Amino acid sequence: KAGVTQTPRYLIKTRGQQVTLSCSPISGHRSVSWYQQTPGQGLQFLFEYFSETQRNKGNFPGRFSGRQFSNSRSEMNVSTLELGDSALYLCASSSNGGPFYEQYFGPGTRLTVT
Amino acid sequence: GQQVMQIPQYQHVQEGEDFTTYCNSSTTLSNIQWYKQRPGGHPVFLIQLVKSGEVKKQKRLTFQFGEAKKNSSLHITATQTTDVGTYFCAGLTNTNAGKSTFGDGTTLTVKP
Repeated sequence: KAGVTQTPRYLIKTRGQQVTLSCSPISGHRSVSWYQQTPGQGLQFLFEYFSETQRNKGNFPGRFSGRQFSNSRSEMNVSTLELGDSALYLCASSSNGGPFYEQYFGPGTRLTVT
Repeated sequence: GQQVMQIPQYQHVQEGEDFTTYCNSSTTLSNIQWYKQRPGGHPVFLIQLVKSGEVKKQKRLTFQFGEAKKNSSLHITATQTTDVGTYFCAGLTNTNAGKSTFGDGTTLTVKP
């Protein structure tokens, strides 16, 4: 099976702009989770989608939003970008999405906000 | 606040030395998962522990889950340069129902 793919891999944006990141899970996986990874904060959970519904949400402001399509592909949107949003954004898919299922991570999107 | 703590944050060892990273929670964990992230890569699932006192081995790696299910450890015997990377634990606590919390990771460097 093909792994989790994320596009784009690298992105440079300016403060105030918005950005949309895409994640395609492993075929057959219905759960997609998004994480923000920064050197000082580790892996911070953003949200999880399962069968097009947001199932869990982390402690991020409303500027961070997401959605999932019927084919399980997911997008994450960040509006009004701030310098602190610079990070590696990882998505992870799993067959069920519960915490007892292993997650398969994509290569990430490196976002730089200037 | 942070519910799953990992120590140490960094560990530098000489090739052939052993390495241990610890994962601690103030509340009982339903499970613990371990992931490894190579430099420039993404986290890769290593193992999951569910039972109290559980011990699992993968070649030179030994994973333990504490009796009280509040801590876990990953021990690597005779490290090799291929072991370099950041090791994360992720656990489900009863205060974060539905989603595991990741520790901040332990970054291992191995000097040949």
